[in-house]
Amino acid sequence: EDKVVQSPLSLVVHEGDTVTLNCSYEVTNFRSLLWYKQEKKAPTFLFMLTSSGIEKKSGRLSSILDKKELFSILNITATQTGDSAIYLCAGGAGSYQLTFGKGTKLSVIP
Amino acid sequence: EAGVAQSPRYKIIEKRQSVAFWCNPISGHATLYWYQQILGQGPKLLIQFQNNGVVDDSQLPKDRFSAERLKGVDSTLKIQPAKLEDSAVYLCASSLGGGGLTYEQYFGPGTRLTVT
Repeated sequence: EDKVVQSPLSLVVHEGDTVTLNCSYEVTNFRSLLWYKQEKKAPTFLFMLTSSGIEKKSGRLSSILDKKELFSILNITATQTGDSAIYLCAGGAGSYQLTFGKGTKLSVIP
Repeated sequence: EAGVAQSPRYKIIEKRQSVAFWCNPISGHATLYWYQQILGQGPKLLIQFQNNGVVDDSQLPKDRFSAERLKGVDSTLKIQPAKLEDSAVYLCASSLGGGGLTYEQYFGPGTRLTVT
């Protein structure tokens, strides 16, 4: 059975801190690793990584995938209160299915 | 571009009652997914459609859950009869699917179901 494990499950930081969220995966017929941000209801797409070692960046967020070691990290620099959310990691398999982890709940306090 | 639409947004029912959720995916998206997200968990795939055909329903509790996507566009998910453990947010998502490596899924706002 496919499995995605995220750590930590929750994290509290102060504004301006840098955080690293971890995601390890065991996904049969793995094709891609996706990160989503979930604030209230619907997860919103952040990144998709398909090649190992390539960093994707969007503003203060960046992510990298290690296909050899089967993990990915999501970095957020200079955190803001608006970054408070649950961050979901998902492994994509050959039939376009996603297996999600439980998420990391990030709380950024002023 | 309009997003994924879902209704209702909230539903409260008693156990053993039935309930139906509706989803309209992004125009042109061939693949549609229904997820169940229990509080504190990540979304769990219930069923995946490619156009109007089922790709995977291995995690759908078929004794009480059913879903259809008759014309390859809108979809409905039904629970009959509901149990307390069905209380969750039901998310619908869509993606382009097809022959390319298009895994990016767009989610609707979800339906929060409470079974009492």
